[in-house]
Amino acid sequence: AQSVSQHNHHVILSEAASLELGCNYSYGGTVNLFWYVQYPGQHLQLLLKYFSGDPLVKGIKGFEAEFIKSKFSFNLRKPSVQWSDTAEYFCAVNGGNDYKLSFGAGTTVTVRA
Amino acid sequence: NAGVTQTPKFQVLKTGQSMTLQCAQDMNHNSMYWYRQDPGMGLRLIYYSASEGTTDKGEVPNGYNVSRLNKREFSLRLESAAPSQTSVYFCAGGPISYNEQFFGPGTRLTVL
Repeated sequence: AQSVSQHNHHVILSEAASLELGCNYSYGGTVNLFWYVQYPGQHLQLLLKYFSGDPLVKGIKGFEAEFIKSKFSFNLRKPSVQWSDTAEYFCAVNGGNDYKLSFGAGTTVTVRA
Repeated sequence: NAGVTQTPKFQVLKTGQSMTLQCAQDMNHNSMYWYRQDPGMGLRLIYYSASEGTTDKGEVPNGYNVSRLNKREFSLRLESAAPSQTSVYFCAGGPISYNEQFFGPGTRLTVL
């Protein structure tokens, strides 16, 4: 079974600071990787996804993530955060053709104006 | 397109009561899922339906049942609610060939 670990429970930043959220997974085969965001009071929305190809993936709202296979990692980055990036961020993974997504515990990001 | 819709948005139950959470999608997805979200635990899969007519247990199925009524609708039933089932429940849908999932707005359930 696959598992996902997110390193930080809560991150507090000032506007314009850079953001990096760590995500590691355990699964030996081919994986599909996702970052979802949940803004306060809203449902989960897909930020970006990796299936294959270029390991540097660009998503919406200026986010990007890098898949490093040797480290079983898929870290999320944004060079300069805004107050509107305050949200909870979830890393998720499934293996190969498995329908089931495994989610990390989530990281709450608070951006101070 | 409404995407994935869920009803109700909020519900309070007493221990032992039963209820059904409804989910519908208009995105023609083959697969549908029910998750629960609890603080510090992310989302955990309760049940899923890979295609119309099939359902399978996820990570935390105990105390729940599901029905895939047709391609659009996937309901989650609590036969005898317990306080441990207090949570936010999310329904999601996804295409069969890719594994991206699209989520509904959630149902916040409190069991007293």
